[in-house]
Amino acid sequence: GQNIDQPTEMTATEGAIVQINCTYQTSGFNGLFWYQQHAGEAPTFLSYNVLDGLEEKGRFSSFLSRSKGYSYLLLQELQMKDSASYLCASIDSNYQLIWGAGTKLIIKP
Amino acid sequence: DAMVIQNPRYQVTQFGKPVTLSCSQTLNHNVMYWYQQKSSQAPKLLFHYYDKDFNNEADTPDNFQSRRPNTSFCFLDIRSPGLGDAAMYLCATSLRTGGADTQYFGPGTRLTVL
Repeated sequence: GQNIDQPTEMTATEGAIVQINCTYQTSGFNGLFWYQQHAGEAPTFLSYNVLDGLEEKGRFSSFLSRSKGYSYLLLQELQMKDSASYLCASIDSNYQLIWGAGTKLIIKP
Repeated sequence: DAMVIQNPRYQVTQFGKPVTLSCSQTLNHNVMYWYQQKSSQAPKLLFHYYDKDFNNEADTPDNFQSRRPNTSFCFLDIRSPGLGDAAMYLCATSLRTGGADTQYFGPGTRLTVL
């Protein structure tokens, strides 16, 4: 079957760095998305990786290892507004988006 | 600004009373999606349209129907809402299907069933 695993919840301190991991098992692979979702709001696009390596976008970076079926989202210089759920979603061979349940990130002052 | 709009943001209905949720987009995207998302769960794809071609997910209950009268608008009809249908309903669009196109989401409609 197809599966996305990510931690249910993480806690970090304002100003610190946090890494949210995601492992995927999908039939085929055509890339991986990270979305941010604030409570009660819609997901918003953060990043897309299809090649191995690190993609940096300001305070947020996303890493992919296709051979390991693994990705992470790295958030630096954490701000209180980064408190949200972070959803990992993998694209399978049929170009269907397989979603994880999300990691709820709690930022403490 | 180009965007995906959903109305209403909050909908309350009674058990068994039909309800329609609407979505419109100004992105001129070919594909529109309807997702159901319950608290702390992944979004669950109900169906999607590529242009006017309708694609139903195998496990989407018959209680859920959809219409796309034109490129800009898409509707989700819940014929007889049950308590288990209380959720956030998300509309999304992408330029194409069959590709790794980013999906852009509307703000969602939170449905409460009394």
